[in-house]
Amino acid sequence: AAGVIQSPRHLIKEKRETATLKCYPIPRHDTVYWYQQGPGQDPQFLISFYEKMQSDKGSIPDRFSAQQFSDYHSELNMSSLELGDSALYFCASSKAGGGRNTIYFGEGSWLTVV
Amino acid sequence: AQSVTQPDIHITVSEGASLELRCNYSYGATPYLFWYVQSPGQGLQLLLKYFSGDTLVQGIKGFEAEFKRSQSSFNLRKPSVHWSDAAEYFCAVGAGNNDMRFGAGTRLTVKP
Repeated sequence: AAGVIQSPRHLIKEKRETATLKCYPIPRHDTVYWYQQGPGQDPQFLISFYEKMQSDKGSIPDRFSAQQFSDYHSELNMSSLELGDSALYFCASSKAGGGRNTIYFGEGSWLTVV
Repeated sequence: AQSVTQPDIHITVSEGASLELRCNYSYGATPYLFWYVQSPGQGLQLLLKYFSGDTLVQGIKGFEAEFKRSQSSFNLRKPSVHWSDAAEYFCAVGAGNNDMRFGAGTRLTVKP
């Protein structure tokens, strides 16, 4: 079965640079979530989108922005990168409507800021 | 807002022994609850979930979990642990907007 696809899997950037992570949800899923997992930490919710509109916002820094496109894929843009942004970034997707929904995670994108 | 507590940071069990990982949640309404497993450098794999109905839920890889509303708990169990079960386990609670909050995780080590 198709899963959530994230790219790139690994990314190395220097401080103050910009990075963009992409996420392709499971087909027919309309909701996308972004999570950040620092080393040895639990995943922290950043932001979510439903039908291309932002649906919820968590602990996302102002330097980060995200959007969901017409084909439901999403991009997380991170600017003015800091060393502390080094983390595993997960994208997840679900299909909304009709009650509660299971969220499926991608393999994650490793961002290293040097 | 919802929150999750996993009291045990690290648990070591012998292969073949039984396992129970604890999870306590805080949420004003009926929660939906998940257990995910994460192997080193890997993504989060869903083990099982509870939305409603039978409070004992079966998952993949021989895992099960029991929802106990009176104790606000959703503990994960496995009767006989295999060496391949060594990983980080995350309990998560979801709110009505599908946003999930994760516990800090429990690292499972399996002794031969």
